[in-house]
Parts: sequence; C-alpha cells; structure tokens
Amino acid sequence: SQTIHQWPATLVQPVGSPLSLECTVEGTSNPNLYWYRQAAGRGLQLLFYSVGIGQISSEVPQNLSASRPQDRQFILSSKKLLLSDSGFYLCAWSMGEQSYEQYFGPGTRLTVT
Amino acid sequence: KQEVTQIPAALSVPEGENLVLNCSFTDSAIYNLQWFRQDPGKGLTSLLLIQSSQREQTSGRLNASLDKSSGRSTLYIAASQPGDSATYLCAVKNYGGSQGNLIFGKGTKLSVKP
Repeated sequence: SQTIHQWPATLVQPVGSPLSLECTVEGTSNPNLYWYRQAAGRGLQLLFYSVGIGQISSEVPQNLSASRPQDRQFILSSKKLLLSDSGFYLCAWSMGEQSYEQYFGPGTRLTVT
Repeated sequence: KQEVTQIPAALSVPEGENLVLNCSFTDSAIYNLQWFRQDPGKGLTSLLLIQSSQREQTSGRLNASLDKSSGRSTLYIAASQPGDSATYLCAVKNYGGSQGNLIFGKGTKLSVKP
C-alpha cells in the first residue's frame, strides 16, 4: 500500500530564516505530487505541483519554491520566511490521470515568529 | 473562476442522527468531486471520490451524491457517532485547469454529541 510522509511535523522559525519541508511517498512510482497551504480561516490553496522529476509548476506567486530531486520526494523551500508564510502545509500525491484521487500527508505546522 | 461553498460552516447533532452536509460549486465543468475528512491538526483523509459521470458513491455509513448540472453535492452520514466529529471538506477538479488542481470549500465542522 502507498504511504506519504512529511517532516517535520511542527516548526517554529523566525522571520527571515530559511525553510525546508520534505515529503516522500512510498509504494508507488511516478506519482503527481502537490504542496498545499491551509491558513487559519481560509481554505486549502495549491502552491506547487509536479508531474515528474525536475518538473515543477507554481500556482501562486510567493517567496516559496519547490523541487523534486527524486521520483517520490518533494521539497518546499524558502530563502527568507515572512510572517504570512505561517500555516499548515500539506503534501499530496495522485496517479497521473486527472480523474484519480489525491491522498494527503499528515502535514507540517509552520509558525513564523 | 470555480468557487466551492459548503453550508453550514458548523453543525452540532446528537449521536445517532442522520445528517447531510452540502457542497455547491459554480462551474459544472468538473472531472470529479472528492470529499475529505480533517481531524484537528491532522492531514486530510479521502472519504469518497465521485467522477463527473457518476451520481453517487457509498462507503459504509457515508453516501455522497453529485448533481453536476445544478452544481451540488451532498454527503449523507447515517447513524452519526462521536467519532465522526471532524471538519468535512469537499473539493472539485476542473476541466481545463492546471493538472490536479483541486478547488476546496472551507469545510463544515461537525460535532456529534454523545
């Protein structure tokens, strides 16, 4: 069966510090991968998605970036965090077809102070 | 632009009641609609996926229906239990949008009282 992991589970970082969140998927190959953010009082927002190694599409302009160095690894990064980057970050995966379900990881709670 | 609305925002019911959660969307050109459950501080758990060609899907005590032409979906929970307490989210996947982009509603927070 497939599983999706995210770490760290929680993170408290000062404004201006760098960020690296990691997501890995087990039990499948060549998945589509996604980063979402859930801010307090707001719905989930898609940040990035990837259909293959090195292929990243950005949905929202921001100071975040994403990379996919391996087939089942997706990384969310920032060089300098802003207060507005605080939120709950969720990684998800799906099979390549548009009609397939998305499955979500446990999430990372980021607080920027 | 697709917009997804969930009503009510919060719902409290006594244990054992049957209940319906509502989801509406503005653009009927969708691939599918997915219902999720989110416990506090946790990720999303997929409950049901309804393809655009389907009318309903069932899993245990859950039944989700889809009326694409009217832009509505309902999630029916039978014989509710305290363990059903969570936030329920619906999301649609559009035709023509970026691949895999789910558009989410803000959720319905359900509380089932023992």
